[in-house]
Amino acid sequence: DIVMTQTPLSSPVTLGQPASISCRSSQSLVHSDGNTYLSWLQQRPGQPPRLLIYKISNRFSGVPDRFSGSGAGTDFTLKISRVEAEDVGVYYCMQTTQFPRTFGQGTTVEIK
Amino acid sequence: EVQLLESGGGLVQPGGSLRLSCVASGFIFSSFAMDWVRQAPGKGLEWLSTISATGSYYADSVKGRFTISRDNSKNTLYLQMNSLRAEDTALYYCVKGLSAFDVWGQGTMVTVSS
Repeated sequence: DIVMTQTPLSSPVTLGQPASISCRSSQSLVHSDGNTYLSWLQQRPGQPPRLLIYKISNRFSGVPDRFSGSGAGTDFTLKISRVEAEDVGVYYCMQTTQFPRTFGQGTTVEIK
Repeated sequence: EVQLLESGGGLVQPGGSLRLSCVASGFIFSSFAMDWVRQAPGKGLEWLSTISATGSYYADSVKGRFTISRDNSKNTLYLQMNSLRAEDTALYYCVKGLSAFDVWGQGTMVTVSS
């Protein structure tokens, strides 16, 4: 199974300042079709998860452009350019390159 | 509007069974792979199962106990859960997608306890 490791597990951020979350996979997420199926999800308190980013860097419909994804192979990053109050929650990376699908442990973004 | 609405959760004794349902609306249900993901209280996300055009897939933790199925005529996804254990206690989410989990339901809570 592919293990997804996120750092940090907690990220206190000042409003308006940037935030960055790293995700590392135990093996390459490049699929045989050439795509890399790494997604980022946001889970606000009391809410179901919501897709933010898919295939490393593609923002899902309705996601603000302050969210961006980057990376390749086994190392990936989610960046929030300027954190807003509504960004508080837990962020998960996940891979859908192979079965079983696996998630990172989650990173809690909170306001300082 | 694309929506997924789960039901069927509840309190069940260890060793018991439950069947979860998920009614989809707002998209062509038969054209998409569907998934079940769960979240134990205060914990992270755990993928359980996917049903797609190529077949059904399961996490080792539920293989042989849980069965995913769908009725495209009813736009409904199911999860039959047998031999339930205390560690199956969680919020169960129905999810749309194969390479990206792009729509999530609100979840249905399953509690396994005597």
